[in-house]
Amino acid sequence: TQTVSQSDAHVTVFEGDSVELRCNYSYGGSIYLSWYIQHHGHGLQFLLKYYSGNPVVQGVNGFEAEFSKSDSSFHLRKASVHWSDSAVYFCAVAGAGGYKVVFGSGTRLLVSP
Amino acid sequence: GGIITQTPKFLIGQEGQKLTLKCQQNFNHDTMYWYRQDSGKGLRLIYYSITENDLQKGDLSEGYDASREKKSSFSLTVTSAQKNEMAVFLCASTDWGLGNTLYFGAGTRLSVL
Repeated sequence: TQTVSQSDAHVTVFEGDSVELRCNYSYGGSIYLSWYIQHHGHGLQFLLKYYSGNPVVQGVNGFEAEFSKSDSSFHLRKASVHWSDSAVYFCAVAGAGGYKVVFGSGTRLLVSP
Repeated sequence: GGIITQTPKFLIGQEGQKLTLKCQQNFNHDTMYWYRQDSGKGLRLIYYSITENDLQKGDLSEGYDASREKKSSFSLTVTSAQKNEMAVFLCASTDWGLGNTLYFGAGTRLSVL
C-alpha cells in the first residue's frame, strides 16, 4: 500500500522568498503524485501532478514540483511567494492501476508581508 | 465546468446518533471519495466508489457506511456519533484515466454534542 509523508507541519517565509515544501512517499510500483492547496474554510484545489516523463512539472500560479525516484520524493517549489499563497498544501499519491488516493498530513505555509 | 455539492454544510448531532452526509457531482465522474479531515491534520480516506454500485473501504471505514445511489451521488453515514467529535468531511470525484485530478466539495463540518 502507498504512504506519503510531509515532514514539515509549518513553514513561514517572507513575501518574495522562495519556498520548498517536502513530500516523500513509499510505494513499490508506478505511482501518480499530486499536490493540492487548501485555503481556510474551503475544499482542496488541484495544483499539479506527475505520472511519467519530465520529472519537473509546472502547475498553476508559478508552482512546480520535481519527482525523484531515487529519493522517493515529490517536493513542491515556488520561486517567489505572495501573501495569497498562504494556505495548507497537501501531497497525494495513488498507485498506478488503483483508485485509492492517499494524502499526506499537510504543510501550512504562512507568507509574511 | 462542474461542481460538487455537499449537504449539509454544518451538522450537529448527539452522541450515538446516526448521521448522513450527502454529496452530489455534475462532472459525470465515475469515481467518488469520502475523506475525513480533523483539525490541523491531513485527510484520511473513509470510503471510495470506483463506479456506480461499487464501494471500497478506505483506511478509516470503521464506524461509517457509504452508499453510491447513482453515478452523481455518494452518501456517507456516521453509524454512531462519538461525543465531542469534531471533523470536516470532504467529498471528491474524478474521472480516472491516467491519474486524473480530484475535484473537492467545500465540506461538511460535523460537531457532536
